[in-house]
Amino acid sequence: EAEVAQSPRYKITEKSQAVAFWCDPISGHATLYWYRQILGQGPELLVQFQDESVVDDSQLPKDRFSAERLKGVDSTLKIQPAELGDSAMYLCASSLGPRDLRANVLTFGAGSRLTVL
Amino acid sequence: EDQVTQSPEALRLQEGESSSLNCSYTVSGLRGLFWYRQDPGKGPEFLFTLYSAGEEKEKERLKATLTKKESFLHITAPKPEDSATYLCAVQARYGGATNKLIFGTGTLLAVQP
Repeated sequence: EAEVAQSPRYKITEKSQAVAFWCDPISGHATLYWYRQILGQGPELLVQFQDESVVDDSQLPKDRFSAERLKGVDSTLKIQPAELGDSAMYLCASSLGPRDLRANVLTFGAGSRLTVL
Repeated sequence: EDQVTQSPEALRLQEGESSSLNCSYTVSGLRGLFWYRQDPGKGPEFLFTLYSAGEEKEKERLKATLTKKESFLHITAPKPEDSATYLCAVQARYGGATNKLIFGTGTLLAVQP
């Protein structure tokens, strides 16, 4: 069964350091999402890509977070500098393009757990 | 503002004791309502999509229903392996290409043998 791959699974860093997360979506999925999930809460969208273009980054803290999907396939989410409040699970998801009838079903990866000390 | 509220926050059941989880929502125009299961330390796993009031879907011991204001996830004769957090999410009919899901905070279900 096709999966969304994420790495690293776990990351511990000190505040003010830079961190990066990588995601490889399911092959053929044009839409890629980065969500943040704080412990005990539901996931919250940070950024959505359609192919290589950003279609929604309204909740992305742009002073410290950046995301790219240069070739429209895999994606990187970066945080610089990390703050204590960034400790969370960072989830990547993908779905088929908007013209597909099942476009709205998101498949999630296992996530990257970030702890900022 | 689009919003999803789930109740209860946590639920403890005995094996075989049936119950229901609630998801109430407000959304400008509903494109779909989703149920996901999330095990500790893992990403959400898709269960169901419901598109219109009156629709029902079933999978093993789970049955999801939808009205114009809420959805229920019914769990019949649960087993310990059904223990997980169940997340509800809505997708709104926004203009443009965004398919983002707005999630509730989830219901943590524990089924004791």
